[in-house]
Amino acid sequence: KQEVTQIPAALSVPEGENLVLNCSFTDSAIYNLQWFRQDPGKGLTSLLLIQSSQREQTSGRLNASLDKSSGRSTLYIAASQPGDSATYLCAVGTGGFKTIFGAGTRLFVKA
Amino acid sequence: DAGVIQSPRHEVTEMGQEVTLRCKPISGHDYLFWYRQTMMRGLELLIYFNNNVPIDDSGMPEDRFSAKMPNASFSTLKIQPSEPRDSAVYFCASRGVSEETQYFGPGTRLLVL
Repeated sequence: KQEVTQIPAALSVPEGENLVLNCSFTDSAIYNLQWFRQDPGKGLTSLLLIQSSQREQTSGRLNASLDKSSGRSTLYIAASQPGDSATYLCAVGTGGFKTIFGAGTRLFVKA
Repeated sequence: DAGVIQSPRHEVTEMGQEVTLRCKPISGHDYLFWYRQTMMRGLELLIYFNNNVPIDDSGMPEDRFSAKMPNASFSTLKIQPSEPRDSAVYFCASRGVSEETQYFGPGTRLLVL
């Protein structure tokens, strides 16, 4: 059974700092991996999607990497801003269109 | 498109009452998903549909939960009878067959007293 773990559970950083969020999964037979953002009281928004054959994806200040063999992914956020404060969820796509989510990392960026 | 629409946004009910949550997916999307999010268990997939047909309902916790999709633009998740442990945020999401990601609605926050 696929399990997705995110570390740390919560993170507080000063504005401008670069940071890394970690995600690990137990079964390397994945279809893809996504990073989502969730703001309080809102739904989830997809930030980056990495296909199983890819190693990384970049969008603006965000960079996500994938190492299938070790069951790990990281989300790198450069020059963090208060607007980046949210919960970030890692999600693994499995066969049959199912997605398994991690518990999330709650990020707070202090101005 | 207005995105995935869910109603109601908030629901407070008493134990034993029937609860019906509603979802309108993005037009043209073939897949619809129902999730439940709690602090203890995170985000869990309850059931998903393809072309209005339920494909996998293995995440539905008990027979008290049922979901229907009578047409391509509407789905319901019903809990009967409701219990306090059903309190959670319920999300609906949809995706097109050629798309890689799901688009989430704003969720329904359910509180069962």
